[in-house]
Amino acid sequence: DTAVSQTPKYLVTQMGNDKSIKCEQNLGHDTMYWYKQDSKKFLKIMFSYNNKELIINETVPNRFSPKSPDKAHLNLHINSLELGDSAVYFCASSPGPHTDTQYFGPGTRLTVL
Amino acid sequence: GENVEQHPSTLSVQEGDSAVIKCTYSDSASNYFPWYKQELGKGPQLIIDIRSNVGEKKDQRIAVTLNKTAKHFSLHITETQPEDSAVYFCAAPDILTGGGNKLTFGTGTQLKVEL
Repeated sequence: DTAVSQTPKYLVTQMGNDKSIKCEQNLGHDTMYWYKQDSKKFLKIMFSYNNKELIINETVPNRFSPKSPDKAHLNLHINSLELGDSAVYFCASSPGPHTDTQYFGPGTRLTVL
Repeated sequence: GENVEQHPSTLSVQEGDSAVIKCTYSDSASNYFPWYKQELGKGPQLIIDIRSNVGEKKDQRIAVTLNKTAKHFSLHITETQPEDSAVYFCAAPDILTGGGNKLTFGTGTQLKVEL
């Protein structure tokens, strides 16, 4: 009965590789998010989708490309991985896009070697 | 955009004592203020939130107070227990034109409850 799930939980890869992280929510929410948490625990939004439409796109390198095949799924693809991409990536969802409670997934720890 | 400041960055208390974490925000239009708890190896989980039409909200040992004039809000945990040890984040919405709102998070407070 997991609400927001992410795969994989851990991802270790070499610089220059391309990788994807998948997220699914079974809460029936319309809005989904990707956050990046750095080594100092700072949590910053990257993208948000509402009903499959991109509504928030922060200043993120274009090596990061989110995709939402339907409103229950939001995937994150990263091209040409760099050392600085190492972080924990969290997916979240909310009923709608306007100051609703956000429910976070368990996170994906990405390590770029 | 919204700017959220959170203090202290670390807080150590004895079991049974109270803990207070404070946040300030910059956008006077912000109207929703959640607090999240993040345990080691897990995602942030909402523990309490407050909307701008009230000044205080309480849920068992946890309370949040809001001062809209001063643009600050605080988390109060009473009778702390070891399981309260975690990182706590405050947040405030950045109300965007033409799209959704996004949450701007504080920098987090590492709370340690010692036996």
